[in-house]
Amino acid sequence: GAGVSQSPSNKVTEKGKDVELRCDPISGHTALYWYRQSLGQGLEFLIYFQGNSAPDKSGLPSDRFSAERTGGSVSTLTIQRTQQEDSAVYLCASSPQPYTANTGELFFGEGSRLTVL
Amino acid sequence: DQQVKQNSPSLSVQEGRISILNCDYTNSMFDYFLWYKKYPAEGPTFLISISSIKDKNEDGRFTVFLNKSAKHLSLHIVPSQPGDSAVYFCAASNGNAGKSTFGDGTTLTVKP
Repeated sequence: GAGVSQSPSNKVTEKGKDVELRCDPISGHTALYWYRQSLGQGLEFLIYFQGNSAPDKSGLPSDRFSAERTGGSVSTLTIQRTQQEDSAVYLCASSPQPYTANTGELFFGEGSRLTVL
Repeated sequence: DQQVKQNSPSLSVQEGRISILNCDYTNSMFDYFLWYKKYPAEGPTFLISISSIKDKNEDGRFTVFLNKSAKHLSLHIVPSQPGDSAVYFCAASNGNAGKSTFGDGTTLTVKP
């Protein structure tokens, strides 16, 4: 498909386990973002990748969270030693420029729903 | 301190009437504002945006108004259609429109 692809769509894990969430952005998009949405709340910025530049990690809530982007394309968000408060929908988005100058538009995937028991 | 607030969790309107969704912000450094729409089990989709140098932007049935002095923006949908029923998120950014601060969303229900 032509859109942003995320996997898994659903993940249930036990407290203390590590999880990896994957994002495959739209081909050619240089910017990639991770957000998360907790129940009943808005989207919370986590991390931003732009080309080969160092990522903007200013939104990561703790050092248990990390992300990498290999080859300027696929990204993996890793949460170590998961806690119940990590339960949320993790959304990935991409855009063709550092920011889309005309509209600011991000293209979101459908998200990965993480449940920590 | 929530920098972007959508004070109405829900809104219900009749098909064909106007829907007005409101958003307030506190950070005067925000220079770009966006609205996204989200259906259940889908990612948000972009609707419309506005730069802080403007006070109005229109795209078909959707118009966004920005009042910088009041730190307030609104989204008008005219005429409203049942397919517009979704959660609407207001977002604001400073410099990088992709790195936005989002409100908690307003659930719009358009009744046939």
